[in-house]
Amino acid sequence: DVKVTQSSRYLVKRTGEKVFLECVQDMDHENMFWYRQDPGLGLRLIYFSYDVKMKEKGDIPEGYSVSREKKERFSLILESASTNQTSMYLCASSVYTPGTGELFFGEGSRLTVL
Amino acid sequence: GDSVTQMEGPVTLSEEAFLTINCTYTATGYPSLFWYVQYPGEGLQLLLKATKADDKGSNKGFEATYRKETTSFHLEKGSVQVSDSAVYFCALIIPNTGNQFYFGTGTSLTVIP
Repeated sequence: DVKVTQSSRYLVKRTGEKVFLECVQDMDHENMFWYRQDPGLGLRLIYFSYDVKMKEKGDIPEGYSVSREKKERFSLILESASTNQTSMYLCASSVYTPGTGELFFGEGSRLTVL
Repeated sequence: GDSVTQMEGPVTLSEEAFLTINCTYTATGYPSLFWYVQYPGEGLQLLLKATKADDKGSNKGFEATYRKETTSFHLEKGSVQVSDSAVYFCALIIPNTGNQFYFGTGTSLTVIP
């Protein structure tokens, strides 16, 4: 079975803290994505990566950065967490099949910033 | 720009009722269309997809037909079960223009016995 694993299901952090969200996939997928999910807003793309050390901004990159040092791992970093970053964060991966590739999601990381 | 609009929820149905969740899209190219489902406490998973006009995607009793003339991809099921309670997302991707999916805002479905 394909698997995308997010390291933390629930996190509580304080304003100004640095936050790392880790995601690992075991499918040898080229593409990896970070989304945030908020009620009424659906999924919004933060960053994606189509290769090691490559990254592209999504729709809402402000306040976030990413790191992809190895093909299987894609990390989302909040340099200085703020309360408006309280959300559910979803990692996903896909093969490089332009336009038709299925996304495989992790179970999500629910972050609360106090 | 490219986007997906789906009916707002929440939707509450009795078991064995007929389900329709509407989805329409705007796309600059010729998209592939998807329905994803998110069960409580889980990530999203692919429910069905269609990659060209008039294709019908189907899985677990759910169906959706790619209608280019109405730019729609409505999700249907003839008889829902309690286990179908979840959030359903319509999505599209434009082939050969990158790997970005565009998701609708999601429709929450609750099926009561």
